[in-house]
Amino acid sequence: DTEVTQTPKHLVMGMTNKKSLKCEQHMGHRAMYWYKQKAKKPPELMFVYSYEKLSINESVPSRFSPECPNSSLLNLHLHALQPEDSALYLCDITTPGTEETQYFGPGTRLLVL
Amino acid sequence: GESVGLHLPTLSVQEGDNSIINCAYSNSASDYFIWYKQESGKGPQFIIDIRSNMDKRQGQRVTVLLNKTVKHLSLQIAATQPGDSAVYFCAEGPYGNKLVFGAGTILRVKS
Repeated sequence: DTEVTQTPKHLVMGMTNKKSLKCEQHMGHRAMYWYKQKAKKPPELMFVYSYEKLSINESVPSRFSPECPNSSLLNLHLHALQPEDSALYLCDITTPGTEETQYFGPGTRLLVL
Repeated sequence: GESVGLHLPTLSVQEGDNSIINCAYSNSASDYFIWYKQESGKGPQFIIDIRSNMDKRQGQRVTVLLNKTVKHLSLQIAATQPGDSAVYFCAEGPYGNKLVFGAGTILRVKS
């Protein structure tokens, strides 16, 4: 299974809503990343989980809360977002220290109204 | 040809020609480099990577060249096809750690 799945594909939420993005992989990779990508811009790293532990937080506002419940699942909980948080949210997986390639999911396109 | 304007640089090539996409990186500590292809509405797709102990690596129809002296990375695509049209990103970083992405280059293939 070489697939990284992300749900939902699209999400529209108001600024008072609470929602969650989900990323799932069954490739055994132990590093999982959240990126944010605005239109016509490169992906920007938000969080890195290594062996289910948060290892990097790129000074992301607390309205974004990551969670890694197990080695196959990565969540991003959203609360009180702003319209400028509208973007494509990408999950990426790899295994540090190996020759494994990195795999991005298809992303969740988020619109905050 | 290649142009840089207010938006992403764009490279337009004729179908069947070879394409060369360039990337300059700034962190001399970076020892791992990746090229990604991103089509509209999709996540980035891994194309090829190279470690700093190599100058060149070849894949299927693609070649990555690394010049550490001038901190330059390039992606060569042989016999470019319409399906190669996409935005191409280079990414650099310490191996096994976080990656920093370049701004991206739009490749347009004319039939």
